[in-house]
Amino acid sequence: SYVVTQPPSVSVAPGQTARITCGGNNIGTKSVHWYQKKPGQAPVLVVYDDSDRPSGIPARFSGSNSGNTATLTISRVEAGDEADYFCQVWDNTNDHRVFGGGSRLTVL
Amino acid sequence: QVQLVQSGAEAKKPGASVKVSCEASGYTFTGHSIHWVRQAPGQGLEWMGRISPKSGDTIYAQRFQGRVTLTRDTSISTAFMEVTGLRSDDTALYYCARGWGTGHLDYWGQGTLVTVSS
Repeated sequence: SYVVTQPPSVSVAPGQTARITCGGNNIGTKSVHWYQKKPGQAPVLVVYDDSDRPSGIPARFSGSNSGNTATLTISRVEAGDEADYFCQVWDNTNDHRVFGGGSRLTVL
Repeated sequence: QVQLVQSGAEAKKPGASVKVSCEASGYTFTGHSIHWVRQAPGQGLEWMGRISPKSGDTIYAQRFQGRVTLTRDTSISTAFMEVTGLRSDDTALYYCARGWGTGHLDYWGQGTLVTVSS
């Protein structure tokens, strides 16, 4: 089955740019989706199909995907962006959805 | 607007079963799959399986095969997840989510806390 790997933690100062990676074998051939998860709240889709944003998600959130790494980029980070972020792909070999282990974004 | 509303928190003893509901509104229920995802305390998101409301077709993550059953009632636009043989490590928040094709999960329920303790 397909495995995606994320760094456990990412730290950034307010106003700076955070980059959260999601690694997998030839992940660039898959569509990658990103979710923001805050304590006590349901996950929120922030980027889908590598780089598209749902309505209501600020343009500060963007995504890219190439080779063996997909990246969620959060520009001009704010305190309210502090959360866990999860990448997700579809494993076409078994029709399963696969989540990365999650990355905790800390705003210093 | 699209909404998924889940049933309330449950407290169960080891070995018992639990059935969680997920009522959909604001869209055509049979037009999208419903997925179930759980998050145990301090852990990440774990995909459990999905049901296609139109056909009833289901698929499960291997670790839940045989212990989790997904069903739906199209007359009330509601999906159900039943877990049998509960263990303490099944203590988690369980979410339903609407699936988009083979891609993302765009709308999520509010979550249902299932606590398993003797």
